[in-house]
Amino acid sequence: EVQLVESGGGLVQPGRSLRLSCAASGFTFDDYAMHWVRQVPGKGLEWVSGISWNSGNIGYADSVKGRFTISRDSAKNSLYLQMNSLRTEDTALYFCAKGYTYGFNSYQDYWGQGTLVTVSS
Amino acid sequence: DIVMTQSPDSLAVSLGERAAINCKSSQSVLYFSNNKNYLAWYQQKPGQPPKLLIHSASTRESGVPDRFSGSGSGTDFTLTISSLQAEDVAVYYCQQYYSTPPYTFGQGTKLEIK
Repeated sequence: EVQLVESGGGLVQPGRSLRLSCAASGFTFDDYAMHWVRQVPGKGLEWVSGISWNSGNIGYADSVKGRFTISRDSAKNSLYLQMNSLRTEDTALYFCAKGYTYGFNSYQDYWGQGTLVTVSS
Repeated sequence: DIVMTQSPDSLAVSLGERAAINCKSSQSVLYFSNNKNYLAWYQQKPGQPPKLLIHSASTRESGVPDRFSGSGSGTDFTLTISSLQAEDVAVYYCQQYYSTPPYTFGQGTKLEIK
């Protein structure tokens, strides 16, 4: 059974940093692209970032480009999102999601429950 | 960036009736090399993560009831629920995953029982 468990969310002041983690299990992590998608409570979905199976291709939404960095660790079966220079508009529930294939231009077939990030002074 | 626009924003349908949600992309998401539309539909119920329903515009994900179907090509797509059930109350999103990022979502359509 595919499981994705996010962690690392919390309350942080504007301008500070936070690192999200996603522990993956139930599939061969190295074979699939991974994504981060966020959702402001009560609002729609926003694709944030994606990374191909071998980290060779990485992409970001314009809203986070230059501030967020996605990475993966095959030894730990984990996905990460380093979020720097956080803004109040980054407040959202952050979902980790598995791509259906190795390339990152893929839909997301499994999702975690999300971790909440609140940026506020 | 490709902009995805769904219509309507909300929809109320009687149990057993047909529901249709539209999604329009600002540019084609059809890959001519493999004749596939890079368009997915998701269902999200309150307090839950999104669930994949359909990919490649019309391919139903394993385990999804056959009352859900997707159609369309190029820039215009439709998600149809042939006979609405109570458990189908949710917000539905389309997403394009064509070429380079960002892989944008539509704004969502809230489906309720009339």
